[in-house]
Formats: sequence, C-alpha cells, structure tokens
Amino acid sequence: RKEVEQDPGPFNVPEGATVAFNCTYSNSASQSFFWYRQDCRKEPKLLMSVYSSGNEDGRFTAQLNRASQYISLLIRDSKLSDSATYLCVVNRQAGNNRKLIWGLGTSLAVNP
Amino acid sequence: NAGVTQTPKFQVLKTGQSMTLQCAQDMNHEYMSWYRQDPGMGLRLIHYSVGAGITDQGEVPNGYNVSRSTTEDFPLRLLSAAPSQTSVYFCASIPGPNQETQYFGPGTRLLVL
Repeated sequence: RKEVEQDPGPFNVPEGATVAFNCTYSNSASQSFFWYRQDCRKEPKLLMSVYSSGNEDGRFTAQLNRASQYISLLIRDSKLSDSATYLCVVNRQAGNNRKLIWGLGTSLAVNP
Repeated sequence: NAGVTQTPKFQVLKTGQSMTLQCAQDMNHEYMSWYRQDPGMGLRLIHYSVGAGITDQGEVPNGYNVSRSTTEDFPLRLLSAAPSQTSVYFCASIPGPNQETQYFGPGTRLLVL
C-alpha cells in the first residue's frame, strides 16, 4: 500500500460544478499537508497548504481529518482552467529530517 | 526574478553517454532538490542540498551525482545514461527546512535510447 493514495480519476465535470478529491495517508507521523496543481507537461505548483482547522482560498477549500488520516480538496464553481492534475503531498518526520511524500495525482477535466 | 530555471528543456542521449542537467535559482533559497517524475511512480527525490557545499541522497540516487558549489546552482550529472533514466526531471528550490513550499523549474525531458 502506498503511503499517500489518491484516486487517479479522471474526474470529468461540467463548468460550474463542485468537485471534491480525497487523499489518504498511512503514516500518523505526518505533520503537514499540501495540494499542488500540475498542468499537462508542466511543473507542479503549490495550490494551497492544508491546515488543521481547514482553509479556504477563493473557490478552493482544503480540509484535514487526522483521525481518519485524509485530506480533501473541494473546488466550487469549476472553471475550464481548473483542468489539471492535483497532487497531494504529505510532509512527515523521518529521523532528523522531514520527508515529502507525493501522491500520484488526481486528474480533473472541466468540460464546457 | 526568474525563479528556478532548468536547461536543457529536452535531451536525447544514447546509452552510456553522460550529461549534466543544469538548475539555477535566484531566490537565495538554501534548499534545493532534484526529482524525477515517471508515469505511475509520482515524483521521486533523487538528491537534495541544504546549502552550498552540502548534498545528500534522496530516494533514487543511483546513477546520478550532484554538487552545490554556490547557493544558486545545483547541477545533476548522469554518469552513464541508461534507458531506465528516461524521465522528466524537475529541480526545486525551497525557502526553508520545513519544506513548506517548493518552487519547481519547468523540467527537463530526457530520452535515453
């Protein structure tokens, strides 16, 4: 079982729809969490960090559930430009260092 | 600021050839990393550096060398290219030790024949 798991999708949604992705992690030592966005053949870019209390940035809401060990990303009022792969990233302590564990990503296609 | 730059964008090598992938950042970040991204494998850390003169191995370091003589530059050397090294390579620059945000370069697509 992978340490960070995501549903690969693809999620095909119409413009204006609300869509949610989940990401599960297996290591309870995980300390911080992020969502990155990666457009086709481009580099990943930070979308948002995920805080324990949940956080919102415009149409995007991220939540963390430590008890069930998952994070979620909700996108409201989807735009065509939201089409991308969304990568879940977990940062956990590994000895004296921190280690980033990357999910394989969830593909979203927003259709007109 | 240019951010993180990588060269070349594309490269084709023959098995056994060597080459250096260049990475530079102008944000004065101490931490830099090299990743490779392959279908079904996600991003995997090759090598990283916590400052000039300091490098360490990541998850998949075999076949690669790095050096960090300046804060700005972090080149990745393929010693003797193999088809298994066909991949997309990303360099990332990180502001601090908690790795809260990673700034990626545009990537280098490498094909080893």
